[in-house]
Amino acid sequence: QKEVEQNSGPLSVPEGAIASLNCTYSDRGSQSFFWYRQYSGKSPELIMSIYSNGDKEDGRFTAQLNKASQYVSLLIRDSQPSDSATYLCAVYNTDKLIFGTGTRLQVFP
Amino acid sequence: NAGVMQNPRHLVRRRGQEARLRCSPVKGHSHVYWYRQLPEEGLKFMVYLQKENIIDESGMPKERFSAEFPKEGPSILRIQQVVRGDSAAYFCASSPRGQETQYFGPGTRLLVL
Repeated sequence: QKEVEQNSGPLSVPEGAIASLNCTYSDRGSQSFFWYRQYSGKSPELIMSIYSNGDKEDGRFTAQLNKASQYVSLLIRDSQPSDSATYLCAVYNTDKLIFGTGTRLQVFP
Repeated sequence: NAGVMQNPRHLVRRRGQEARLRCSPVKGHSHVYWYRQLPEEGLKFMVYLQKENIIDESGMPKERFSAEFPKEGPSILRIQQVVRGDSAAYFCASSPRGQETQYFGPGTRLLVL
C-alpha cells in the first residue's frame, strides 16, 4: 500500500464548476497535510496546509481533513482554465514530506 | 524577499561525469530538504539537512549520492559517476524550523546523455 494515494486523473471539469481532488494516507499518526500545485515543467507551489479535522477555506480553495478516515481533499470553486495543473497531496512524516503521485486537473472553457 | 534559489536550472552531463547541484534556502531558513522527481512520477524525499548536519538521509541512494549544507554557502547535492537513470528534476525546499511548511525552489533539471 502506498503511503499517500491519489487518483492520477485527468480530472476534467468545465470552467466555473467545482473541482474535487482526493487523497488518502496510510499513517494514522500523521498530523500535517499539504496541497501543492505543480504546472508542467515547474516547481510545486504551496496552496493549502491543514492540521485539524474539518474544513479550511482560503479564497476559492477549501481543504478538508478527516483523520478517522485518513482522508484529505481539496475543493476548487469556480474553476478557471488557469487552475489546470497537477495537484500534489503531501503528508508530513518524521522530517519529510511524503507525496502522492498527483492528480492532473483539466479545466476546459 | 528572495525565495529558494537553485542553480543551475538545467544541467547536461555525460555518463560517468559528476553533477553538482546547489541550493540557497530562503533567508533565515536553516532547514533544507532535497527531493527528486523522475519523469511522470511523484516527488521522492532524498535528504534533510540543517547547517553542518545531515538529519535524515533515508531517501538517498547508498552509492554515488552525497549532500552537504556547510556553515557558509549553499547546500550541495553531489552525484558522482552519473547514469542515465539519474535524469530527473531535483528540487530543494527550505523551512524555518522542522515540521514547518516547506517552500520549493525552481528545481534543477538534470539530463544524462
